[in-house]
Amino acid sequence: AQKITQTQPGMFVQEKEAVTLDCTYDTSDPSYGLFWYKQPSSGEMIFLIYQGSYDQQNATEGRYSLNFQKARKSANLVISASQLGDSAMYFCAMREMDSNYQLIWGAGTKLIIKP
Amino acid sequence: GAVVSQHPSWVICKSGTSVKIECRSLDFQATTMFWYRQFPKQSLMLMATSNEGSKATYEQGVEKDKFLINHASLTLSTLTVTSAHPEDSSFYICSARDRGTYYGYTFGSGTRLTVV
Repeated sequence: AQKITQTQPGMFVQEKEAVTLDCTYDTSDPSYGLFWYKQPSSGEMIFLIYQGSYDQQNATEGRYSLNFQKARKSANLVISASQLGDSAMYFCAMREMDSNYQLIWGAGTKLIIKP
Repeated sequence: GAVVSQHPSWVICKSGTSVKIECRSLDFQATTMFWYRQFPKQSLMLMATSNEGSKATYEQGVEKDKFLINHASLTLSTLTVTSAHPEDSSFYICSARDRGTYYGYTFGSGTRLTVV
């Protein structure tokens, strides 16, 4: 079974609009971490935001916020006021407690911001 | 912030030759390095995990004799693709376990390998 599911292969969003990228996860570990990375066409992996399973509040980093719904096992990324430079691949990833710090990756969502 | 310098950024090599990719942590000690392979429009696929001073642990299906990983120091890990063939053409990226950041990982910028 997929441990990280990103159901949106691609999305088109108008510039300045908010966008939500979906991510659901599956784990039986009580302690885990959830990550979002951005990968532009250059290939580098850019860390965006992290949410720990015991964190009480949703993580926020500037225009990025993580809508963490633990009971639903969902960790959606919200980008507010999208910009042309936000066009990229976005990956959700998870680290489980006893994983030797390995990350499990989703398939990714290609986001294109339209001017 | 923490930086992992990955070289080369891109390389073209002839079939049958070997290629070495280096990942160097510039301002922190990378006790663990993860090596990924990524095909176009796909996600990252973990190839192996290496801990400084010990043999790498390879994921199922990854040929350890073909993809040699060396992690001889806390600041340098290398991936050597031996006897490369066109099917080895891919994007390779390293990621270091970085205890200095709350999220824990710093990525190299990636190496695009083309085997002709």
